[in-house]
Amino acid sequence: KAGVTQTPRYLIKTRGQQVTLSCSPISGHRSVSWYQQTPGQGLQFLFEYFSETQRNKGNFPGRFSGRQFSNSRSEMNVSTLELGDSALYLCASRLGIGFQETQYFGPGTRLLVL
Amino acid sequence: AQKVTQAQTEISVVEKEDVTLDCVYETRDTTYYLFWYKQPPSGELVFLIRRNSFDEQNEISGRYSWNFQKSTSSFNFTITASQVVDSAVYFCALSESASGSEKLVFGKGTKLTVNP
Repeated sequence: KAGVTQTPRYLIKTRGQQVTLSCSPISGHRSVSWYQQTPGQGLQFLFEYFSETQRNKGNFPGRFSGRQFSNSRSEMNVSTLELGDSALYLCASRLGIGFQETQYFGPGTRLLVL
Repeated sequence: AQKVTQAQTEISVVEKEDVTLDCVYETRDTTYYLFWYKQPPSGELVFLIRRNSFDEQNEISGRYSWNFQKSTSSFNFTITASQVVDSAVYFCALSESASGSEKLVFGKGTKLTVNP
């Protein structure tokens, strides 16, 4: 079974621009979560989607948004990019919801904001 | 509030040495899950193990073993006879039911370097 895929793998943007990242979960998985990883803050939860609905959201500004499609694929969008948004963005999928479910991660998208 | 502490920022060992990575967690919940993930330089987080709060049995998988002790809120990970391929950043994570959010709370990670 194919793992979680994320596109693009690398991205360079300038301040003020917006960016959209894509995530395809493992086949059959209906929950998709997004995490931001930076050297200073570590791994932080952004949001989670299940059945096209956002279930949980982390402590990030409204510039960070996401959505999920009927095929469970998810996109996250960051508007008005800031230098501090430079990070590795990781997507994770799991079969369903519930704190006991294991999350499986994709390779991430490395975003550099200049 | 949930919190995971990995006090060891970096560890360097020589191949074939045993190494233990420490993980201490805080939670007010009685029902929770603990995880270990490995992050090689490529960036992908690779799932290693999941343990629920009611199962304190130690687990062994090949050269990997995990020691879960509720009394000390610790979930330590030992690699026996380390190999160069074990070099990576290892993350301990916690998921609990009481918070209302099934997100993973991660520790800061321990960077393990295994030298030949």
